[in-house]
Amino acid sequence: DIQMTQSPSTLSASVGDRVTITCRASQTINNWLAWYQQRPGKAPKLLIYEASTLQSGVPSRFSGSGSGTEFTLTISSLQPDDFATFYCQHYSGLSHTFGQGTKLEIK
Amino acid sequence: QMQLQESGPGLVKPSQTLSLTCTVSDDSISSGRYYWSWIRQPAGKGLEWIGRVYPSGSTNYNPSLKRRVTISIDASKKQFFLKLSSVTAADTAMYYCARGHALYSLDVWGHGTTVTVSS
Repeated sequence: DIQMTQSPSTLSASVGDRVTITCRASQTINNWLAWYQQRPGKAPKLLIYEASTLQSGVPSRFSGSGSGTEFTLTISSLQPDDFATFYCQHYSGLSHTFGQGTKLEIK
Repeated sequence: QMQLQESGPGLVKPSQTLSLTCTVSDDSISSGRYYWSWIRQPAGKGLEWIGRVYPSGSTNYNPSLKRRVTISIDASKKQFFLKLSSVTAADTAMYYCARGHALYSLDVWGHGTTVTVSS
């Protein structure tokens, strides 16, 4: 089974900061990688799919990159609404696997 | 905007079967473009994919849950279903249903329903 590992587990930052979250796969997954944002008490929201394609309606300050086994989610200038938990997810013809999550906190 | 709504008992006894329904607001449940997934999240923990069903009835399951899970679909009712047998306290979680697509994964989620396993 493919394992997805995110780092860091927790990230403290301030409004206006640029932040990057990393997701590593235990084997190559090509570009079948999605990123989700989950605010407390809410369902996850799809931000990015195919590693770097922004979902419709998602602000352009969010971006994704990477391929193979290493991927990143970058938020270019943090807004108050962005503080949440972020998950990467590998999706394929057989299964989906989520990373353990990265909690983005206000410094 | 298409919506999903989970429903089912909020309390299930240990060793019994957890049964949930997800109702889809439009006819996309019948479209071959999409599949229909269940995901769960214990309180304060991460997301765990349970499995999915296609309109054809074909399924894929998380290997760690495969022995106990059945996901099915009734497109005529715009519903799909989760059954998880032999539950224990470890199955206590928020359960989400979601729409999936081969290209962009899980793009629409329900609000979730809390299930507690307790006697």
